[in-house]
Amino acid sequence: KNQVEQSPQSLIILEGKNCTLQCNYTVSPFSNLRWYKQDTGRGPVSLTIMTFSENTKSNGRYTATLDADTKQSSLHITASQLSDSASYICVVSGGGSYIPTFGRGTSLIVHP
Amino acid sequence: GAGVSQSPSNKVTEKGKDVELRCDPISGHTALYWYRQSLGQGLEFLIYFQGNSAPDKSGLPSDRFSAERTGGSVSTLTIQRTQQEDSAVYLCASSLNSGREETQYFGPGTRLLVL
Repeated sequence: KNQVEQSPQSLIILEGKNCTLQCNYTVSPFSNLRWYKQDTGRGPVSLTIMTFSENTKSNGRYTATLDADTKQSSLHITASQLSDSASYICVVSGGGSYIPTFGRGTSLIVHP
Repeated sequence: GAGVSQSPSNKVTEKGKDVELRCDPISGHTALYWYRQSLGQGLEFLIYFQGNSAPDKSGLPSDRFSAERTGGSVSTLTIQRTQQEDSAVYLCASSLNSGREETQYFGPGTRLLVL
């Protein structure tokens, strides 16, 4: 069964600090992995997309890593800002379906 | 605007009533997806359109749920005889095509509350 597990479920950090969110998946065969950011009351917005051959991809202060062998990904946020407060969702495509598999997300709160 | 739009943004209805949710995808996007997001849960796939056809309806939770898409553009999701467990945020997304490499662009969602 295609599954995406994210940890931690929630995280509270102080403004300016770094943090790392984790994603483990069982989707096979693997096509790509995306990280989405979902602000409260909004739809998810894509941050990064990674394919099998990519290990690291950055988008500003966001850096995603992928280990396709261990089926793990992480999203590292550097020098957090209050606007980073959101839910971060890991989404994996593949598994013989056009429909991607969504994780439940990590809720991040950045305090001043 | 150029993004995916959904209406209404909020809907409160009584148990047993029918509701219609609307999605306007990004112009030119051939693929359209409906998802449901309950509090604290991940996105639950409902149905997917390629053009006006729905190759995958596997996520519709019951026969009270139906969806259509006309002119390869606007889509409506209809829930008949609503139940309290239907309360959730209904998200629509569109993508240029239906390939796995395509990024889905999401609308802001419709928040449905069934009393």
